[in-house]
Order: sequence, then structure tokens, then C-alpha cells
Amino acid sequence: EAGVAQSPRYKIIEKRQSVAFWCNPISGHATLYWYQQILGQGPKLLIQFQNNGVVDDSQLPKDRFSAERLKGVDSTLKIQPAKLEDSAVYLCASSLETASSYEQYFGPGTRLTVT
Amino acid sequence: AQKVTQAQTEISVVEKEDVTLDCVYETRDTTYYLFWYKQPPSGELVFLIRRNSFDEQNEISGRYSWNFQKSTSSFNFTITASQVVDSAVYFCALSGMEYGNKLVFGAGTILRVKS
Repeated sequence: EAGVAQSPRYKIIEKRQSVAFWCNPISGHATLYWYQQILGQGPKLLIQFQNNGVVDDSQLPKDRFSAERLKGVDSTLKIQPAKLEDSAVYLCASSLETASSYEQYFGPGTRLTVT
Repeated sequence: AQKVTQAQTEISVVEKEDVTLDCVYETRDTTYYLFWYKQPPSGELVFLIRRNSFDEQNEISGRYSWNFQKSTSSFNFTITASQVVDSAVYFCALSGMEYGNKLVFGAGTILRVKS
């Protein structure tokens, strides 16, 4: 079974530029998550989708971050404009359903460096 | 509020030593789930175990074992006869209704196993 795919793996941009990340979850997984992992910290949830609807985006900085999951499969996360503090690894994860009992499977992440 | 504390920032051991990674959690939920994830240098978070709050039975999987004690709100992870391939960052995480079933991660423990 294929795992969660993410691209690109690495991205370097200057502050105020825009960037987009792509995620393809495990086939059949209804729930998709985007996490931000700053160096030395655990992942922090940015947004959670159930199929193509947003379940939780309470920690998404909506003035600069946006995400969508068209057709309930792939998802993109965009930052516009980027700030220095956005430098982090952005992890995508998926699970069969939303409930706590379902484990989340993570992709390899996209390491973003904002200079 | 839900919180996960991994007090050990970094542990170094020599191959074949046993090592225990500590995890202490806080939650007001009576039903919750605890997880351990491994993050090797490749960056992908690998699911290791899920335990629900009603199951305090310890679990062993090969060289890995987990000790869940509700009385001390701890969910510790032991690696027996450590190997170099065990070198990674290990995260403990908690999920429950109090925080909308979101995964709340600890800060992680860096494990370095030297040959």
C-alpha cells in the first residue's frame, strides 16, 4: 500500500514570496491533516479535512495560510506571503476517519526555509 | 487542557543498552488515546503504538515495550538491546475529546545509539 506522498521535499524562498505544498493521502483515507513542525518541537496541527470539508482550522494563520482539498483526495497548503517564522517542516497525514482511535499516517514532509 | 511532557530532550546510549523514554500527560477526558511515533532522519513520522485509556495492559512488540500507568499519567516506552537504527526522535502524543480529537504531541526525545 502506498503511503502519504508529499512534494516538494525541500523549498527555499525569500520572505514575502509565496509557496505551495502538495499532499496525496493514502487511498481511502477520509481524513487529511496538515501539521507544522518547527525545529525542536512536536508537530502542531494547522488544519484537518474530512473528505473535502474543513473540520478544524483553528490554528491556521488565515491571514497568510490557506488550504484546500478538492474532490476529497489531494490537498494543497499555501503560504502567501511567507515570513521568516514560517521556516519549518510541513507534514501531511491521513487516517481512515476522524475519531481518536484511528492512527494517522504521515508523509515525509516538506522542509521550508524562508530567508 | 491537554498536554504531553517529554522531559528528556536527548538521550545517548551505547548499542545493546536498554533505554526508557518517558512520557507524562494531562487531560480531563476519561476516554483518550495515547500514541508513540518515531521520526528517523528521513523526517517521516512512523506510527508505533496506540493505547486507549481503558487498557492499562503493558504491551511488548519485539524489542519495544510500553508501560501505561493511569495513576501517574505516564506512558513510557522502553527499547531493549538498542541498535543504531533506533536512533531517531520519538514523540509521545495524546488525543481526546477535550481537544477535539486532535493529536497533541510532546516536544520529542532525541535518541542517539552509538556503536
